Amino acid sequence: DSGVTQTPKHLITATGQRVTLRCSPRSGDLSVYWYQQSLDQGLQFLIQYYNGEERAKGNILERFSAQQFPDLHSELNLSSLELGDSALYFCASSLRGSSYNSPLHFGNGTRLTVT
Amino acid sequence: AQRVTQPEKLLSVFKGAPVELKCNYSYSGSPELFWYVQYSRQRLQLLLRHISRESIKGFTADLNKGETSFHLKKPFAQEEDSAMYYCALMASGSRLTFGEGTQLTVNP
Repeated sequence: DSGVTQTPKHLITATGQRVTLRCSPRSGDLSVYWYQQSLDQGLQFLIQYYNGEERAKGNILERFSAQQFPDLHSELNLSSLELGDSALYFCASSLRGSSYNSPLHFGNGTRLTVT
Repeated sequence: AQRVTQPEKLLSVFKGAPVELKCNYSYSGSPELFWYVQYSRQRLQLLLRHISRESIKGFTADLNKGETSFHLKKPFAQEEDSAMYYCALMASGSRLTFGEGTQLTVNP
């Protein structure tokens, strides 16, 4: 068990809808990362937060947004969903923002299916 | 910009055979490199960090700065090693960049 908790485990929704994925980092970790894993794109970095502030941004669509709350949990909001958004969404956390000597610990992921 | 290349999408070996999963990177500075393993589309688990110079589950990886490589090796593969393996690079800053992954299958 990595200590990173993601909910829900599975989510099935229709195109055009909006969903929220939730992540609780390991106790003591300040940094949260979101990754998308799809069959054709591999693991894509979406966004990173450190202690409530956005730290780095990757290939995140404008329809997607995220935030990290004062209790350090994070939410990833996906709106106007398209079929191509179907993927595994992983959250990871690390102790420090730079992650040097502070490896990422991944949650079990949320499997999103858009029909 | 940093980039990680895993040239083999699929690798199949027999149990007991040596295995090497290739990873090459491009980055102008001093990178930190990792190997992550993913069993059956579950969560990614950290396998190795190059700074630790450790051996986990019989796997080792050596950073070769001259060849910009960080290949993962195991002398005798086991069936339970079958999984997806991702090489990842942490450059200065906080983004961890993953390679496309290599699916390792160890046949009995």
